[in-house]
Amino acid sequence: QSVLTQPPSVSGAPGQRVTISCTGSSSNIGADYDVHWYQQLPGTAPKLLIYGNNDRPSGVPDRFSGSKSGTSASLVISGLRTEDEADYYCQSYDRTLTAHVFGAGTEVAVL
Amino acid sequence: EVQLLESGGGLIQPGGSLRLSCAASGFSLRNYAMSWVRQAPGKGPEWVSAISGSGDRTYYADSVQGRFTVSRDNYMNMLYLRMSSLSAEDTAVYYCAREILVGYSTHFDYWGQGTLVIVSP
Repeated sequence: QSVLTQPPSVSGAPGQRVTISCTGSSSNIGADYDVHWYQQLPGTAPKLLIYGNNDRPSGVPDRFSGSKSGTSASLVISGLRTEDEADYYCQSYDRTLTAHVFGAGTEVAVL
Repeated sequence: EVQLLESGGGLIQPGGSLRLSCAASGFSLRNYAMSWVRQAPGKGPEWVSAISGSGDRTYYADSVQGRFTVSRDNYMNMLYLRMSSLSAEDTAVYYCAREILVGYSTHFDYWGQGTLVIVSP
């Protein structure tokens, strides 16, 4: 069981907006550690999508945005596109485990 | 262009040992802490180990502490993971990843393509 909890799947039609939640605790997200998000296309390595809660690396479309509040964080995909079909993972640090921790992932389906 | 290329994976019997390698190019390895992250089939990533830029500090997940050893050769731009006492639970794709520290939060900005380790009789 992952320390960070994500919904197994979300879906939406092209052009719609979807939100992926990432729920942690007072020993990770709530301890003021940043949340980062990765996109993993089938058969490939994870790719950094959002870092520092809401910053995008160069080349990541502004359709992707992140936020954090309390012990949770969210990734929003606006204007959903077919190429956004992938698995998405949140990541933070847990001070009790003294380890970087990931969520179990959310599969995004474009209907 | 930053590139990370893992090698050394394969089929290994339970109880066996294996050494993974990660060749870095396109940046100066000595300037970055590095991590190994694994992903079991159908599961999310799991952080395994990290090593400081100079190699003087190492860190391990509880699941591998005492069995895995991370090391690096900054002159050769190489990162290594020595794994021993392997069990089926260690079956996964193993990625090397570059760490970026902002404040006191770390994220992984570049990942290799991964090398598959299968532990099976």
